[in-house]
Amino acid sequence: NAGVTQTPKFQVLKTGQSMTLQCAQDMNHEYMSWYRQDPGMGLRLIHYSVGAGITDQGEVPNGYNVSRSTTEDFPLRLLSAAPSQTSVYFCASGGALAGNTDTQYFGPGTRLTVL
Amino acid sequence: SQQGEEDPQALSIQEGENATMNCSYKTSINNLQWYRQNSGRGLVHLILIRSNEREKHSGRLRVTLDTSKKSSSLLITASRAADTASYFCATRSYNTDKLIFGTGTRLQVFP
Repeated sequence: NAGVTQTPKFQVLKTGQSMTLQCAQDMNHEYMSWYRQDPGMGLRLIHYSVGAGITDQGEVPNGYNVSRSTTEDFPLRLLSAAPSQTSVYFCASGGALAGNTDTQYFGPGTRLTVL
Repeated sequence: SQQGEEDPQALSIQEGENATMNCSYKTSINNLQWYRQNSGRGLVHLILIRSNEREKHSGRLRVTLDTSKKSSSLLITASRAADTASYFCATRSYNTDKLIFGTGTRLQVFP
């Protein structure tokens, strides 16, 4: 199993550009989520999904869109990049509350810089 | 605002000493989890404790949970240089599927 994979590893954008961060998992997990990590702020939840076709907002959803058309993939779209979105982005998958197994598996992260 | 806050923010100890980190949270929870992050890497799950549990052990890790005080502690016994990392608590509340992380404790273990 590859686990949770994220692409790209690094990305530099100009203000106003859009892009999609890819996340895929091969563990057949229903629950997937996106976090951003900024220095001194820990991880903040952006969006999450409890299954294909179901998404919901986390703590800091503004400026980001998600969709979940398959169990395996959960892409994160930046609509119009801003310098405040410079961060490290982590995707995770795992169990959910209803599933009674709650270990989350994290991808290696995408380091995004917005100029 | 974030659900969990860890204390201390940073901790430096010598190999062989014990390390204790604390986590406080705001709302009622279904479970609380601890994760570890090595510099620049993704997080790794360490241990989960459910709201009806008070203490849990895994190897050199001991986690306690006090739901009346809305707090948890992670004890790493006989620490090693390889334990140097950041440690985060995360909480799963009732009636939500959100897993919310705290701000983390940076642990440095000197050989």
